[in-house]
Amino acid sequence: NAGVTQTPKFRVLKTGQSMTLLCAQDMNHEYMYWYRQDPGMGLRLIHYSVGEGTTAKGEVPDGYNVSRLKKQNFLLGLESAAPSQTSVYFCASKQGGDPFYSNQPQHFGDGTRLSIL
Amino acid sequence: ILNVEQSPQSLHVQEGDSTNFTCSFPSSNFYALHWYRWETAKSPEALFVMTLNGDEKKKGRISATLNTKEGYSYLYIKGSQPEDSATYLCALTGFQKLVFGTGTRLLVSP
Repeated sequence: NAGVTQTPKFRVLKTGQSMTLLCAQDMNHEYMYWYRQDPGMGLRLIHYSVGEGTTAKGEVPDGYNVSRLKKQNFLLGLESAAPSQTSVYFCASKQGGDPFYSNQPQHFGDGTRLSIL
Repeated sequence: ILNVEQSPQSLHVQEGDSTNFTCSFPSSNFYALHWYRWETAKSPEALFVMTLNGDEKKKGRISATLNTKEGYSYLYIKGSQPEDSATYLCALTGFQKLVFGTGTRLLVSP
């Protein structure tokens, strides 16, 4: 059982380049999330999805777009990468209840380390 | 602005020591508190979810308590082992989002 899988694990981009991070979960979870993790800060929510075909903005959505065309996949896109987007990106998924008012834990992927030069 | 604070920021103990750290949060509008264990280069792994004031949870040598009235949770590790070395994250849900603390980084030396 793979759980939550993120690809790629590492990537270096030049300013202005675009790329897509892929998150896949095999637990049939309804909710999926993208976070970024920066030194000295807690995980911050970028975007989330409450089901196939739906997405919503989180705390720090600017500069990112997402899509959830299939229930098991949640894509995070950077259209024009900026050095401020250098970070470690984590995807998570959760089953059931409310996406946030919930006593169900989120299941995380191993992260994608992204550097923008 | 919701602030979830964890202390200490880091901790270095010897194998066999017992240790504890704190997660503090505003006591109003609380729904649930999550503890995660996060090893370097791995994904955060859920340890506990607590919802009720006075809740106590235990998993092996690790236990946690919750005081929603005063806005804190303690995580205890009894007889720390090197494999306990990790960052311990707490996260609060109850404000239309899951807000994470910055974590306590624990290093256990043999």
